[in-house]
Amino acid sequence: AQSVTQLDSQVPVFEEAPVELRCNYSSSVSVYLFWYVQYPNQGLQLLLKYLSGSTLVESINGFEAEFNKSQTSFHLRKPSVHISDTAEYFCAVSAMGRRALTFGSGTRLQVQP
Amino acid sequence: NAGVTQTPKFQVLKTGQSMTLQCAQDMNHNSMYWYRQDPGMGLRLIYYSASEGTTDKGEVPNGYNVSRLNKREFSLRLESAAPSQTSVYFCAIQRDGGGYTFGSGTRLTVV
Repeated sequence: AQSVTQLDSQVPVFEEAPVELRCNYSSSVSVYLFWYVQYPNQGLQLLLKYLSGSTLVESINGFEAEFNKSQTSFHLRKPSVHISDTAEYFCAVSAMGRRALTFGSGTRLQVQP
Repeated sequence: NAGVTQTPKFQVLKTGQSMTLQCAQDMNHNSMYWYRQDPGMGLRLIYYSASEGTTDKGEVPNGYNVSRLNKREFSLRLESAAPSQTSVYFCAIQRDGGGYTFGSGTRLTVV
């Protein structure tokens, strides 16, 4: 079985500052990795994913995440955040060959002016 | 969230009452999932269905049943609701490439 740990439940940050949301996973087999974002009172939306190939993946709104196999991590970063990035972010993992995703407990990003 | 429709959006039940949460997709994907979301616990898998006519238990199936009568619909039933089932419930379909598309959720309160 696989598991996901999001080390920070809340991350407050000022607008235009950089941010890193941490995600570590555990699995006995190779994995696919995902980040989802949830805005207030909405469902989850896929932000970015790592399936294979380049270990650095990017989203269309400036977020990026890097798959680090040796550290079993998939941290999410953005060099300059906006107020509109305020949301909850979930890291998720699925084992290759098994379709269901396992989610972390979430990190609430609070961007302050 | 276009493609996955959940009903109802809100529901209040009394302990012991039953209800069915409905989920329908128009994206023609095989795999469908039911999760519950609770504060500080992320999303936990209740049941999933890899294809029409098949269902499997997830991490927290107790107190729930599911039905996948056709490719489009996957329902979740609470036979005798308990306060511990107060939660937000999400249905999801799995797209090619492994990612999910989620419905907008059902907020359920059991009093």
